[in-house]
Amino acid sequence: AQSVTQLDSHVSVSEGTPVLLRCNYSSSYSPSLFWYVQHPNKGLQLLLKYTSAATLVKGINGFEAEFKKSETSFHLTKPSAHMSDAAEYFCVVSDGSSTLGRLYFGRGTQLTVWP
Amino acid sequence: NAGVTQTPKFRVLKTGQSMTLLCAQDMNHEYMYWYRQDPGMGLRLIHYSVGEGTTAKGEVPDGYNVSRLKKQNFLLGLESAAPSQTSVYFCASSLKSEQFFGPGTRLTVL
Repeated sequence: AQSVTQLDSHVSVSEGTPVLLRCNYSSSYSPSLFWYVQHPNKGLQLLLKYTSAATLVKGINGFEAEFKKSETSFHLTKPSAHMSDAAEYFCVVSDGSSTLGRLYFGRGTQLTVWP
Repeated sequence: NAGVTQTPKFRVLKTGQSMTLLCAQDMNHEYMYWYRQDPGMGLRLIHYSVGEGTTAKGEVPDGYNVSRLKKQNFLLGLESAAPSQTSVYFCASSLKSEQFFGPGTRLTVL
């Protein structure tokens, strides 16, 4: 069975400081993993994805994530937060057992960025 | 390309009323999905479709029906709305594992 645990429901950082959003996953198959971002009253936008290639994945807006199989983790990081990064972030695992690509969402982490 | 579009953007219903949400995609994707988003719950899959004429239940299908008569459209119906169906509804489509999301429909059931 597939599942995702986002370890923090809220994270607050100051502008210019590093961001770390933590995610652990459980998957019976070789997973595909994603981070999506949702700005207030908007749809979901793909930040980055891991699909069994390089374990360090670079995404848009300076975000990156590292797939660590031994720790079943896929944490999202950014060296320097910007005010525009304030949003809700979802870690997502895909069902690798079929071509359907069914997604399983974490409950989300709300990122607040202070000036 | 418009991507994935949803209509309407907002809707208020009274308990017991019915309505249909429309999702359209212009990317020729085979797979389409309906999710609901509730605070602190992430997105939960209601129904999905692997191709024209086929549908299947997701994680929370009760109280909803769907139809995929055309490849580009995926309809979500509420036959008798209940306050527990107050939520934000997102449609998505995909070719493989990456899903593309619509802007959402905010539904309130009084």
